[in-house]
Order: sequence, then structure tokens, then C-alpha cells
Amino acid sequence: NAGVTQTPKFQVLKTGQSMTLQCAQDMNHEYMSWYRQDPGMGLRLIHYSVGAGITDQGEVPNGYNVSRSTTEDFPLRLLSAAPSQTSVYFCASSKQTGTGSYGYTFGSGTRLTVV
Amino acid sequence: ILNVEQSPQSLHVQEGDSTNFTCSFPSSNFYALHWYRWETAKSPEALFVMTLNGDEKKKGRISATLNTKEGYSYLYIKGSQPEDSATYLCATNTGNQFYFGTGTSLTVIP
Repeated sequence: NAGVTQTPKFQVLKTGQSMTLQCAQDMNHEYMSWYRQDPGMGLRLIHYSVGAGITDQGEVPNGYNVSRSTTEDFPLRLLSAAPSQTSVYFCASSKQTGTGSYGYTFGSGTRLTVV
Repeated sequence: ILNVEQSPQSLHVQEGDSTNFTCSFPSSNFYALHWYRWETAKSPEALFVMTLNGDEKKKGRISATLNTKEGYSYLYIKGSQPEDSATYLCATNTGNQFYFGTGTSLTVIP
């Protein structure tokens, strides 16, 4: 049981480049989400999905796109990378939605640097 | 956006000391309160999920309480050990969106 798998672990991009951060889970979790972690800011929600075909914006969605074509995968796309997107990105999944009665399982994180 | 506050920001204790820290959150429209343990170079791991006012949860030497009416939760660590050194995060949700505090960084000095 692999849990939540994120790739890559590290990435350096030039300003203006695009890329996709991959996230896959094998726990049949309906809920998946992306967070970014910046010093002094805590974890901030970028986008989330409550099931295949359904996505919604979180607290800081600008500059990012997501899609959820399958229950297992929830990729995060950076459309045109900016230095402000330098951060550590975490994918997380949960068994349920709405009531928050189940905890998150987090991926190992992707450290992204935009130069 | 929910404002989740944690205090203190950091804490240093001697091995064997007991300690506690606080998570404050809006008390209206409460759904659930989560505590996570986050070790350096690892991912956050769920400790507790609490949903009812007065909930108390315990896992080994770590326990947590919840007061939804006044909007706070306490995390207690009894007899701290060096392996307890980590950042402890709390989070609460409004429907499908979870909001995290900035965490309390605990260092246990041998």
C-alpha cells in the first residue's frame, strides 16, 4: 500500500516555464487536495477535488490548474511559473468529504524553485 | 477563509517534562478539528480527528481535548521524549476546505 505518491521530489524551473506535479493515491480516497507550504504561512489550500470529474478552488488558486479524470490521480499544473510559486507542494487525500471526520494522508512533497 | 491560530510558535522542553499547546479556531459552523505531527524532512501524519464538543483523544503519551463552543483545542504531551520533537499542526474545515494553523515547533532537549 503506497499511500500518496508525489513526483518529482525536487524541481527547478525558469520563469515562464510550465510543468505538472503528479499525485497518485491507491487508497480509493474520494477527496484529494493540493497545498503549498511557505515559511511563516502554514499550509494553504490551492485546489481540491471531491471525486473524479469534480474540482474546486481553494485559498490560493491563481496560476495553477487541476483536473481529476480518475479517482487515483490529481495532477497540479503550473501554467507559467513565477518566482512567487517557489514553495513546497503537498498533495493530500482523505476518505471522505464535507464533515472532515477523517484525517488526511499526505504525499512526501515537491520542493519547487522558480528562478 | 478560517483563521486558525496556534500557540506558542515554538517550544523547548527538557526530556521528561510534560507540555501542552493550543489551537484556536472559529467556533461557528464547526465540523472537525485535526491534529497532525510533522517531523523534519517528512510529511504531516494525522494524530487525532475530533468532531464533538468535549472530545478527548489519546495515543500513547499524547492526548488532545476539544472545546467547540469557545473554539479551542489543547494538545498534551506527557513525559516528553526527544523523538517527540516535531511541528504539531492543527486544522479545521468549512465543508470541503481545510485550513491549517502555522504549527507549534517542539524541541525536546535530552
